[in-house]
Amino acid sequence: DAGVIQSPRHEVTEMGQEVTLRCKPISGHDYLFWYRQTMMRGLELLIYFNNNVPIDDSGMPEDRFSAKMPNASFSTLKIQPSEPRDSAVYFCASSPGPYTGELFFGEGSRLTVL
Amino acid sequence: GQQLNQSPQSMFIQEGEDVSMNCTSSSIFNTWLWYKQDPGEGPVLLIALYKAGELTSNGRLTAQFGITRKDSFLNISASIPSDVGIYFCAGQGNAGGTSYGKLTFGQGTILTVHP
Repeated sequence: DAGVIQSPRHEVTEMGQEVTLRCKPISGHDYLFWYRQTMMRGLELLIYFNNNVPIDDSGMPEDRFSAKMPNASFSTLKIQPSEPRDSAVYFCASSPGPYTGELFFGEGSRLTVL
Repeated sequence: GQQLNQSPQSMFIQEGEDVSMNCTSSSIFNTWLWYKQDPGEGPVLLIALYKAGELTSNGRLTAQFGITRKDSFLNISASIPSDVGIYFCAGQGNAGGTSYGKLTFGQGTILTVHP
């Protein structure tokens, strides 16, 4: 079975540009998470969905960030406008349920904002 | 919010040595987990602990869920070069609470193993 698929793997953009990161969770997983990883702050939860509905977006840094999950097999994380401090690795993860705590992570999207 | 303090931040050891790292929290967690992240990859689950006092092994890995539910440790015995990576502890909150379903991660322990 395919794991969590993220795209792009690497993105370099200029400040002010819009960035869209994409995620395809593992089929049958009801939970989808977006995490951001930086050296300074480690792994931070940005938002998570259950059955395509956003449950907790308290980790979304500010209004420039938005996430959607239009169906069970696709989610996007958008940053508009992007800033240099948004540079990080963004991970998508999915889970069949909260009961075990096991998240299946994608390989990440490394974003560099110049 | 909930925070996890993980230590040490980094370790440099010789192949064959044992490794120990731990995680503490100011909050109670119902589940403690340990993940490993290889370079360029996402974290992968190593061990999950679901009951206070539980001691669980997975090959050369042993982890314990603290009695107070506020701490956990991970031991790696007889380290090998492929153990290199970043190890994260993570806690999951109570069912019915606002934190249920999401994990809080520690800052990570960077492990380097010299052959």
